[in-house]
Amino acid sequence: AQKITQTQPGMFVQEKEAVTLDCTYDTSDQSYGLFWYKQPSSGEMIFLIYQGSYDEQNATEGRYSLNFQKARKSANLVISASQLGDSAMYFCAMRVGYSTLTFGKGTMLLVSP
Amino acid sequence: DSGVTQTPKHLITATGQRVTLRCSPRSGDLSVYWYQQSLDQGLQFLIQYYNGEERAKGNILERFSAQQFPDLHSELNLSSLELGDSALYFCASARLGGETQYFGPGTRLLVL
Repeated sequence: AQKITQTQPGMFVQEKEAVTLDCTYDTSDQSYGLFWYKQPSSGEMIFLIYQGSYDEQNATEGRYSLNFQKARKSANLVISASQLGDSAMYFCAMRVGYSTLTFGKGTMLLVSP
Repeated sequence: DSGVTQTPKHLITATGQRVTLRCSPRSGDLSVYWYQQSLDQGLQFLIQYYNGEERAKGNILERFSAQQFPDLHSELNLSSLELGDSALYFCASARLGGETQYFGPGTRLLVL
């Protein structure tokens, strides 16, 4: 069975600073995908970034990057130059093969001015 | 905007009632997934359809059922509703079955 662990229930960061949200995963499969989603207070789930298990480079999407450390089974999300609009719940998720997503419990990020 | 639409946005109903949630996937997406998000259970996968056929089942109660129609929209039917069914229900879609899932805005269900 797959498991995603997000150990930080909440994080605070000041505007313009970088922040790292932690995610560790557990699977015995060699082929899997790791995702990060953002859920603002309005409720929608917004896809941010994807990393495949065979991708050699860390994924980047604008201010988001995924620090993928396969041996440690970690897939941390790094947000550079935080903005007030980044305040939201962030979920790490994993998909093994063609199966569905397994989500972590999420980390609430608050960005202060 | 993900391109996935869900209706209604909010639903308030009473225990014992039955409701239908509707989802239209992104254009070209064949896979539809349903998830339930509640405070105590977090985000849980309910069921997946691919091109009209049930593909995978998760923690879906027997009181819940779903289907995907020929035009690829999907409906989630919740019956004999209980207080504990109050949650945010998401639909997500993907091109086939193994790519990024894009989520709709969700339907917030409140059972009184």
